[in-house]
Amino acid sequence: GAVVSQHPSWVICKSGTSVKIECRSLDFQATTMFWYRQFPKQSLMLMATSNEGSKATYEQGVEKDKFLINHASLTLSTLTVTSAHPEDSSFYICSAQGNEDGAFFGQGTRLTVV
Amino acid sequence: GEDVEQSLFLSVREGDSSVINCTYTDSSSTYLYWYKQEPGAGLQLLTYIFSNMDMKQDQRLTVLLNKKDKHLSLRIADTQTGDSAIYFCAANHGNQFYFGTGTSLTVIP
Repeated sequence: GAVVSQHPSWVICKSGTSVKIECRSLDFQATTMFWYRQFPKQSLMLMATSNEGSKATYEQGVEKDKFLINHASLTLSTLTVTSAHPEDSSFYICSAQGNEDGAFFGQGTRLTVV
Repeated sequence: GEDVEQSLFLSVREGDSSVINCTYTDSSSTYLYWYKQEPGAGLQLLTYIFSNMDMKQDQRLTVLLNKKDKHLSLRIADTQTGDSAIYFCAANHGNQFYFGTGTSLTVIP
C-alpha cells in the first residue's frame, strides 16, 4: 500500500509553545489529507480535512486558530498546535487519500505538553 | 454524520478464529474498511469492501457485508498472538470517514 510518513513520532513541549507536526505522502499524491486526534482508549476524532491549495475544513468544536493546518503541496500537510496546553496532550494521526481506494495513515504523533 | 459501532473487547485462543463485528447507519456508505492499530502506532489498512459486494477474502482475513442489516464483520482465521491489537471499522462516503470505537482483540497463547 501507499506510505504516509508522519513526523515527529513523539514530542514534549512546554506549555505556551507551538508544535508543528508534518504528514507526508511518500509515493503518491494526496489530494486530501485528514487530521485526527485520539484520546487514550478511544476512537479517532476527525479534526479537519484539507485539500491541497485551499483552506482546511474544521469539524465542529475544533478551534481553527489553535490547530493551524497547511496543505501547501500534494505530498505535505502540517498541523501546528499553537500555544499548547496540557489538555492538548494527545495522539495526533494524519491520513492521506490519493486516487487509490482507502486512506493511508501516518504512524501518529504523541504530543505531551508539560 | 454516521454512527459506526463495535463491541469494545474480544478475547480468543491462539489458533481459533476471531470475528469482529461492526454496524453502521448510513446505507449510502460506498466503502467499508478495517484498520488495525497496534499499541502506540498509527492505523494500518487491513482490507476494505465495496458496498456492492457481500464478501471479500484476503489470506486469513474474510470480510462479510450484510447491506440490508448494515452489518460488517471481519473474520481472522488461525488467530496469532501478533494479531492482538485494536481493530477499527470505518465507513466512507466521499472524503469523509466515520470510525467505530475500535475492538480490542486479545489473543491468549
